[in-house]
Amino acid sequence: EPEVTQTPSHQVTQMGQEVILRCVPISNHLYFYWYRQILGQKVEFLVSFYNNEISEKSEIFDDQFSVERPDGSNFTLKIRSTKLEDSAMYFCASKGTGASSGNTIYFGEGSWLTVV
Amino acid sequence: QKEVEQNSGPLSVPEGAIASLNCTYSDRGSQSFFWYRQYSGKSPELIMSIYSNGDKEDGRFTAQLNKASQYVSLLIRDSQPSDSATYLCAVNQISGGYNKLIFGAGTRLAVHP
Repeated sequence: EPEVTQTPSHQVTQMGQEVILRCVPISNHLYFYWYRQILGQKVEFLVSFYNNEISEKSEIFDDQFSVERPDGSNFTLKIRSTKLEDSAMYFCASKGTGASSGNTIYFGEGSWLTVV
Repeated sequence: QKEVEQNSGPLSVPEGAIASLNCTYSDRGSQSFFWYRQYSGKSPELIMSIYSNGDKEDGRFTAQLNKASQYVSLLIRDSQPSDSATYLCAVNQISGGYNKLIFGAGTRLAVHP
């Protein structure tokens, strides 16, 4: 079964460093998302991406964050200068189009980011 | 702020019993509703989706939707210890023609032998 894959599974970084989290969405999906989940808290929407541009972003997604689809398969989340409060699990997700896909969003296994 | 509310639990049920998980949402315009299961430290895993009022059954799982009451529930029959997890209710929101999921905080289910 097709799946969303994410790398790295876990990254430890020093405060102030840049981090890039990578995702390979399900092939032929066109809608891409990043969510995050701080330990013990709810899954929160960060950003959605369609047709090579951001379609919506949340208040969390400030100027420190950016997303990019550098080629036909990868979808990345960059955090320019990490803060302690950026420590969380980051989930990439994707959604297809057409009636067969419905509105189902499929999640990757997540990337644990620890900022020290 | 459009919200999705769930009782955090834990909901403790004996093995073989029916577990009932509930969720309310505030956005009357929402049309698609999802239940995800999340084991500790893992990603959300889709269990069921429901779009129409009424019941939808899939194996031991039944999702129930009442749009007038803005209420969606998940029943798990013959609960097993392996069902012990956090169950996330998610509601699809459309903004500017684009979809996103809004999650509740989740209900922790504990099935004891």
